[in-house]
Amino acid sequence: DADVTQTPRNRITKTGKRIMLECSQTKGHDRMYWYRQDPGLGLRLIYYSFDVKDINKGEISDGYSVSRQAQAKFSLSLESAIPNQTALYFCATSGEGRYEQFFGPGTRLTVL
Amino acid sequence: AQSVTQPDIHITVSEGASLELRCNYSYGATPYLFWYVQSPGQGLQLLLKYFSGDTLVQGIKGFEAEFKRSQSSFNLRKPSVHWSDAAEYFCAVVPQGGSEKLVFGKGTKLTVNP
Repeated sequence: DADVTQTPRNRITKTGKRIMLECSQTKGHDRMYWYRQDPGLGLRLIYYSFDVKDINKGEISDGYSVSRQAQAKFSLSLESAIPNQTALYFCATSGEGRYEQFFGPGTRLTVL
Repeated sequence: AQSVTQPDIHITVSEGASLELRCNYSYGATPYLFWYVQSPGQGLQLLLKYFSGDTLVQGIKGFEAEFKRSQSSFNLRKPSVHWSDAAEYFCAVVPQGGSEKLVFGKGTKLTVNP
């Protein structure tokens, strides 16, 4: 079984809809991250969490919110989706002081 | 400004040829250095990392990278490319003394011709 899973893998939605992307991990890591990937822009950090009670904004948090329900679960929400949020979204985890991150398979989100 | 630069957006090589992907960084202190690979439709997989010590680092899938402090570079190499190496490659850094967040370059897409 994969160590970092994301659901759904693909989602098409309409402008104005609320969307939640979910991430679960079995690696026992405290740290979890959400990124979005756009062609030619690499990966940009949306939010990150170093433990259940710690939530931090990344470089592009506007229009997004997160919830860390447990050590193993970290959800990303788009309260009112807009077309320029169409992207590939990745969840990642890391252990404290370990620096390298482990990525999920990604969620491809299309906002019409 | 602090940054990670991958100068080549797209590289095409023939199968069996050698490969070098460039990565340069601009930070006051040498950051921790990583290369990730993203195969089509997949997530990112760590190829190798450099924290300190021997400047030539061996990774998975036959890749290696060399850290050159004088050039602020961490270039990825492979002696003989296979068709399955076609993917997008990302250089990433964790700045020392920072918040332990990865900062990614914009990626280099590798095409392998038969």
